Amino acid sequence: KAGVTQTPRYLIKTRGQQVTLSCSPISGHRSVSWYQQTPGQGLQFLFEYFSETQRNKGNFPGRFSGRQFSNSRSEMNVSTLELGDSALYLCASSLVGEGTDTQYFGPGTRLTVL
Amino acid sequence: AQSVAQPEDQVNVAEGNPLTVKCTYSVSGNPYLFWYVQYPNRGLQFLLKYITGDNLVKGSYGFEAEFNKSQTSFHLKKPSALVSDSALYFCAVRDTLVSGNTGKLIFGQGTTLQVKP
Repeated sequence: KAGVTQTPRYLIKTRGQQVTLSCSPISGHRSVSWYQQTPGQGLQFLFEYFSETQRNKGNFPGRFSGRQFSNSRSEMNVSTLELGDSALYLCASSLVGEGTDTQYFGPGTRLTVL
Repeated sequence: AQSVAQPEDQVNVAEGNPLTVKCTYSVSGNPYLFWYVQYPNRGLQFLLKYITGDNLVKGSYGFEAEFNKSQTSFHLKKPSALVSDSALYFCAVRDTLVSGNTGKLIFGQGTTLQVKP
């Protein structure tokens, strides 16, 4: 099976712009979670989608949003970019996203905000 | 609230020696624990997870982890380290919600493993 794919792999934006990141889960996986990774804060949970519904949300401002499509593909959007949004954004998919269900991560999208 | 701690920022071992990367957790209810490894400029790769039952969990690339309920620990181990094991290792616990299930993982801060030839 193909793994989790994320596009684009690298992005450079300027402050105030908006960005959309895409994630294609492993075939058959219905849960998609997003994480932000920075050197200072480590890995922080953004949100999780299951069957097109946001099931859980982390502690991020409303500028961060996401959605999931009927084929389980997911997008996240960041509006009005700030310098502090520079990070590696990781997407993870799992069958149903609960208990011992394993999350498999994509390679990430490296976002740089200038 | 669930939490995970990795008390060591970096662990240094010589190639061929055993390695241990420490993780302690705090959860309410059953702990669902995971180890991931991250190589530079890459995503996280799943190594192993704890499923209730056997306290010694075997995973990928020769890694194993020992679950200790009384010490609330889940240390990652390998009998003989390789230079190629040098990477960033994360311990994680599944979060739980009063409202129901969640796919959220709570991660430790990570431990850099440096294996020297």
